[in-house]
Amino acid sequence: DSGVTQTPKHLITATGQRVTLRCSPRSGDLSVYWYQQSLDQGLQFLIQYYNGEERAKGNILERFSAQQFPDLHSELNLSSLELGDSALYFCASSQRDSVDYEQYFGPGTRLTVT
Amino acid sequence: AQSVAQPEDQVNVAEGNPLTVKCTYSVSGNPYLFWYVQYPNRGLQFLLKYITGDNLVKGSYGFEAEFNKSQTSFHLKKPSALVSDSALYFCAVSLRGTGNTPLVFGKGTRLSVIA
Repeated sequence: DSGVTQTPKHLITATGQRVTLRCSPRSGDLSVYWYQQSLDQGLQFLIQYYNGEERAKGNILERFSAQQFPDLHSELNLSSLELGDSALYFCASSQRDSVDYEQYFGPGTRLTVT
Repeated sequence: AQSVAQPEDQVNVAEGNPLTVKCTYSVSGNPYLFWYVQYPNRGLQFLLKYITGDNLVKGSYGFEAEFNKSQTSFHLKKPSALVSDSALYFCAVSLRGTGNTPLVFGKGTRLSVIA
């Protein structure tokens, strides 16, 4: 168990809908990363927050947004969902705002868009 | 731009034999290099990293990796494979010394250890 929790584990929704994925980092970790894992694209970095502020952005679509709250949990919001958004979404956390600190991954949320 | 190549989608090895999972990288500077493992229905777990120093890095579960700058490689190795090592392995790279550059992951290599 990495200490990173993600809810829900599974989510099934229809095209055009909006969903929110939640992540609680390990105790003491200030940095949260979001990744998307799909069969065709592999594991793609979406966005990183550190202590409430956005730090880095990857291949995140404009329909997607995220935030990190004062208690350090983070939410990833996905809107106007398309079939191609079906994927595993992982959250990871690390102690500091530097990539040389190991990232600890949560179990993921499997999103299915029908 | 950074990139990682894992040239083998699948590696099969007999239990007790040595295993190698290959990784090559491309960055325009000095890299940070990582290996992660993903078991079925689980998130990724950190195995080891190269930041600086000794080119041979030892990690969890008896794994090690060798950083080779001239060949831009960071192959993962284990002297004696176990059936429980069967999983999906990811190599990742980031650019050192530029603040916070996110990790770029390879496509993954599925390791199957046969009893």
